[in-house]
Amino acid sequence: GQQLNQSPQSMFIQEGEDVSMNCTSSSIFNTWLWYKQDPGEGPVLLIALYKAGELTSNGRLTAQFGITRKDSFLNISASIPSDVGIYFCAGQLMGTYKYIFGTGTRLKVLA
Amino acid sequence: DAGVIQSPRHEVTEMGQEVTLRCKPISGHDYLFWYRQTMMRGLELLIYFNNNVPIDDSGMPEDRFSAKMPNASFSTLKIQPSEPRDSAVYFCASSSTLRGRTDTQYFGPGTRLTVL
Repeated sequence: GQQLNQSPQSMFIQEGEDVSMNCTSSSIFNTWLWYKQDPGEGPVLLIALYKAGELTSNGRLTAQFGITRKDSFLNISASIPSDVGIYFCAGQLMGTYKYIFGTGTRLKVLA
Repeated sequence: DAGVIQSPRHEVTEMGQEVTLRCKPISGHDYLFWYRQTMMRGLELLIYFNNNVPIDDSGMPEDRFSAKMPNASFSTLKIQPSEPRDSAVYFCASSSTLRGRTDTQYFGPGTRLTVL
């Protein structure tokens, strides 16, 4: 199936460090969503972006909708151990109600 | 709100058997999505419904897979006959339409299917 290019695939960081991950595509999207998935659970929505250029924060999380509508990034500031998990981006294809998911970034935080 | 409810949470079956996965979307949501997640292929959209009507089933792998939504509060995904390569976690998600666009999707906890 179709997937977004998400990077990095995985990262190990020290507690307190900032984290950055991004998604890119050759397709244009209406909406970008960022999710976190814990083991054995479904993805949980973190941030939703609806306009090109939009920058939105949710606590220590900040995400932006790229100007070209083809990319998005997520930053996590001052990481803590409970940030561990897999982070997914999802883009809603223009003219449809379908979301395409990124390949995921596996984050591990070392205390 | 109880969120999206899926059952069973785990299913182990033998090749050739019929499998039925169930989903109850969030009350008031008019879109329902079925996804499959595997290590190799990540999260893939299988099919989605709007107001109980299937809109796009292009992600359904083959004729062995079928999905129904008889009413606004219930949907099933059926695999018949099941094969080992169907082993995956199957998620249901729902969303509502706001201002002409689908709002954010909310996922259920998933059903982990193992076909032996």
